[in-house]
Amino acid sequence: DQQVKQNSPSLSVQEGRISILNCDYTNSMFDYFLWYKKYPAEGPTFLISISSIKDKNEDGRFTVFLNKSAKHLSLHIVPSQPGDSAVYFCAASPADRGSTLGRLYFGRGTQLTVWP
Amino acid sequence: NAGVMQNPRHLVRRRGQEARLRCSPMKGHSHVYWYRQLPEEGLKFMVYLQKENIIDESGMPKERFSAEFPKEGPSILRIQQVVRGDSAAYFCASSPRLVTDRMIRENIQYFGAGTRLSVL
Repeated sequence: DQQVKQNSPSLSVQEGRISILNCDYTNSMFDYFLWYKKYPAEGPTFLISISSIKDKNEDGRFTVFLNKSAKHLSLHIVPSQPGDSAVYFCAASPADRGSTLGRLYFGRGTQLTVWP
Repeated sequence: NAGVMQNPRHLVRRRGQEARLRCSPMKGHSHVYWYRQLPEEGLKFMVYLQKENIIDESGMPKERFSAEFPKEGPSILRIQQVVRGDSAAYFCASSPRLVTDRMIRENIQYFGAGTRLSVL
């Protein structure tokens, strides 16, 4: 049962343009969301996060938007750079429910390719 | 400040052998998590540990798999009698704290480079 879904396995964007990566979730207990970037043969690297009390969080070229009513979040990268080419994972953390509190639930990832 | 260290990076085992994967968390981190990634899939939670305690092992198969995080030394994920289906990338993550207060909520986990297990 995939509780975090990234329905686009790939995205191709020209350098300098905006990249928009989408993520949907089904569990209303999720209250904290993260985006990770992953290069081949490396571990995921934390990019940006957002708590459910906010609807936007910005860090440099990266902005995450959260729409709780739609159970949807997105990551905007602007301007996109060739070095941004990687797999991007959306992850979610549930609110306090005892022992499941610590785990992250991941989507399957979206391969972003930024071409010159 | 070294990141999360995992070793070995690559591990090859024959069916029926044991696999031991090690993880040293970032300095100052007392929470350790193990995840498994199968090809073309996202990371799947396996187990969450604090020093000398297993907090949540509900994502780990009940047979052949075990994990520990002793008072001294790295966290160990142990797979006994490996089968071909165990072939995957295993990632360890650590975090300094788990903040549940709604106003300052946080659960950032920092990942190691992973151990790629191949079972022949």
